[in-house]
Amino acid sequence: AQTVTQSQPEMSVQEAETVTLSCTYDTSESDYYLFWYKQPPSRQMILVIRQEAYKQQNATENRFSVNFQKAAKSFSLKISDSQLGDAAMYFCALIQGAQKLVFGQGTRLTINP
Amino acid sequence: GAVVSQHPSRVICKSGTSVKIECRSLDFQATTMFWYRQFPKQSLMLMATSNEGSKATYEQGVEKDKFLINHASLTLSTLTVTSAHPEDSSFYICSARDPGQGINQPQHFGDGTRLSIL
Repeated sequence: AQTVTQSQPEMSVQEAETVTLSCTYDTSESDYYLFWYKQPPSRQMILVIRQEAYKQQNATENRFSVNFQKAAKSFSLKISDSQLGDAAMYFCALIQGAQKLVFGQGTRLTINP
Repeated sequence: GAVVSQHPSRVICKSGTSVKIECRSLDFQATTMFWYRQFPKQSLMLMATSNEGSKATYEQGVEKDKFLINHASLTLSTLTVTSAHPEDSSFYICSARDPGQGINQPQHFGDGTRLSIL
């Protein structure tokens, strides 16, 4: 069975600084996809970034980047130049085949002005 | 713009009432939709997978008779919480995947429905 673990229930960072959110996962498959979703207070689920497991290059989307370590089954999210609008719950998620998304427990990120 | 529309966004009703939540794909035909439940400060938990033209697949521990799912068309899935009680109060979110895109494309989420049972 697939599992996704986020060991940091809460994180905080000063505005303009960099923060890294951790995620580890477990799957028996070699072909899968990983995502980071952001859920602001409005509770919309917003895709932040995605990574295909077969790609060695780490995905990057503007201020957001990942550190994908396939052997270690680790998928951390780095947010650079943190902004107040980045405050939200962040969920790491995994999908393989045409199966369902499995979410981690979430990390609540606070941005201190 | 939104590609998945969920309605209503907020429901407050008395205990014993049945509540229907709709999830519509706007720009594509979704053969599969997903229903999640989220308690405060917790993650999304998959309740069931809604399959167009066939029975839904429920996750372990989810009562089929309590949470009725109908996926009668390629753009609409409904979740009915039957005889709702206060413990059913939660945030319910649907999602859909565009079959025309690869699985590396993410699911599209509705904006969710906050259900409060008095």
